This record gives sequence, structure tokens and C-alpha cells, in this order.
Amino acid sequence: ELKVEQNPLFLSMQEGKNYTIYCNYSTTSDRLYWYRQDPGKSLESLFVLLSNGAVKQEGRLMASLDTKARLSTLHITAAVHDLSATYFCATRNSGGSNYKLTFGKGTLLTVNP
Amino acid sequence: DTEVTQTPKHLVMGMTNKKSLKCEQHMGHRAMYWYKQKAKKPPELMFVYSYEKLSINESVPSRFSPECPNSSLLNLHLHALQPEDSALYLCASSIRMSTDTQYFGPGTRLTVL
Repeated sequence: ELKVEQNPLFLSMQEGKNYTIYCNYSTTSDRLYWYRQDPGKSLESLFVLLSNGAVKQEGRLMASLDTKARLSTLHITAAVHDLSATYFCATRNSGGSNYKLTFGKGTLLTVNP
Repeated sequence: DTEVTQTPKHLVMGMTNKKSLKCEQHMGHRAMYWYKQKAKKPPELMFVYSYEKLSINESVPSRFSPECPNSSLLNLHLHALQPEDSALYLCASSIRMSTDTQYFGPGTRLTVL
């Protein structure tokens, strides 16, 4: 059974600081997704990482994937208040019943002035 | 049109009521999904439709009944729900079932009294 672990689950940062959220998964997977969710809102797709060594950047967020280590990271650079949200990583099995996204528990990010 | 829409945004119902949630997308996606999300938890997959046919039922109780009238519409019929069914119900779609990014609608906040 595929398991996805995120850490930390709670992250309180000061504006202007850098930090990294980690996402580990337990079995072979061919892609990794990052989503953002604001309170009471839906999930917004941030990144999809398709191959080992993939790196994608959008604004102050950068995501990377190491399929050998089964690890993805979401790096936040010079955080601003608008980045406060819950961030989920998700992946699926690379074979068999690969329709199902398995989500991490989410990281609640709070950026303080 | 690059969005998934859901109606209603909020729904309050009694345990004896029958109600329906509606989801619509006009992106030409052929896979559509229903998820349930409890507060501070990741989304949980309920159903998957692929090419208007129910492909996956994640052992969801029969008081939830999905329907896909055409390639753009997805309904979730609710009957005799329990208070523990109160949650955010998210619809998502993707180009195909197995490998593509899922795009989420804004959700319906359901409260069962």
C-alpha cells in the first residue's frame, strides 16, 4: 500500500525566511503533485513532477523530485503572508491501480509578519 | 474554460432529506472524481468515472449515489445521510483517469443535521 508522509505538519515562519517541506512516499511512483489549499477552499494544482531530478519553480516556490530516494521537496524562498495555506503532496502507484491519488496529511503553513 | 464548477456551495440537510450535488467541467476531460474532505484532513477518494462509466467505487456507503449523465456533468445524490457525513465534497476532473493532473472544483460544504 502506497503511503505518503509529509513533514512538518505545521510550520510557522517569519516573512522573508526560507524553509522546506518534505514529502516521502513508500513505493515506486511515476509522478508527484503539489497542491495548495486555502481555508475552506478547494485544492489548487501547483506543480507536477514527472521524472527523477525534475525541478519546477513558480514565484517563491520551488519543487523537486528524487525518485531514487522517493522524496520530493517544496522550498519556500523569502516567505510572504500570501503563502499562508495548507500544502499537500500527492502521488500514485506507477503500475497496477494507478488511478488513485494518495495524499500526504498536509502542511499547514503560517507566515507571520 | 479551464475550471471545474460545483453547486451548491453550501448545503444543510436533515437525515431524512434527499439532495444532490452537481459538478460541471467543459475542458473535455473524460475522467471525473468525487472526493470527501473532513476538516484538517487530506481529500479521500469516493468515486471515479471514466468515459461516463463508473470505474471506481472506494467502498462508499450506498446512501451516496453518483451519476454521470454526460461527459461534462457529474452528480452525487444524497439520501439518509448521517451527521458524520458532514464534510467538504470536492469534484475533480482530468484528461484521462490514470496519469493526468486532477483539477479540483471549489467544493460543496455539506452539513447534515
